[in-house]
Amino acid sequence: AQSVTQLDSQVPVFEEAPVELRCNYSSSVSVYLFWYVQYPNQGLQLLLKYLSGSTLVKGINGFEAEFNKSQTSFHLRKPSVHISDTAEYFCAVRRGIGSNTGKLIFGQGTTLQVKP
Amino acid sequence: GAGVSQSPSNKVTEKGKDVELRCDPISGHTALYWYRQSLGQGLEFLIYFQGNSAPDKSGLPSDRFSAERTGGSVSTLTIQRTQQEDSAVYLCASSLGVKTNEKLFFGSGTQLSVL
Repeated sequence: AQSVTQLDSQVPVFEEAPVELRCNYSSSVSVYLFWYVQYPNQGLQLLLKYLSGSTLVKGINGFEAEFNKSQTSFHLRKPSVHISDTAEYFCAVRRGIGSNTGKLIFGQGTTLQVKP
Repeated sequence: GAGVSQSPSNKVTEKGKDVELRCDPISGHTALYWYRQSLGQGLEFLIYFQGNSAPDKSGLPSDRFSAERTGGSVSTLTIQRTQQEDSAVYLCASSLGVKTNEKLFFGSGTQLSVL
């Protein structure tokens, strides 16, 4: 079975500062990794995903994440945040290639609070 | 439709009553998922459908919870004899298929409050 741990429930940061939201996963098989974002009063939307290839993946709104297999991590980063980045961020994992198991397992979420 | 549609958006019910939550996925999407989002609990997987069948219903919390999907489209999540701990936002998502690299599209959810 797969599991995801987001180490920080809340991350406060000032506008234009860099930010890192941490995510660690556990799995005995290969996985695909995702970050979803939920803006206030909106549904979840995909921010970025890692399937294979380059371990550094870029997503929407200037976010990027790096897959680190040895550390089983998939931390999300942005070099300079904006007020509009205030949202809840969810890391998620799914079984990887060769699997038709559709279940996507989410972490507990991290609330990013960007302050002026 | 243009997106995943869920109804009602809000539901207030009394403890012990049954409720039905509806999800209308994006047209052509064969996979449909139900999740529950509780304060501080993140997103909890409940069940997913491929077509009309449910290969994985391992996340349903108890036998009071059931779900069905008809015509490969609309799905209904039913909670019988609701309890206060059932209060949460119930999210539905759909994707083209269940290939695990595919993107899920989420609805806005149904906020369920059990008094």
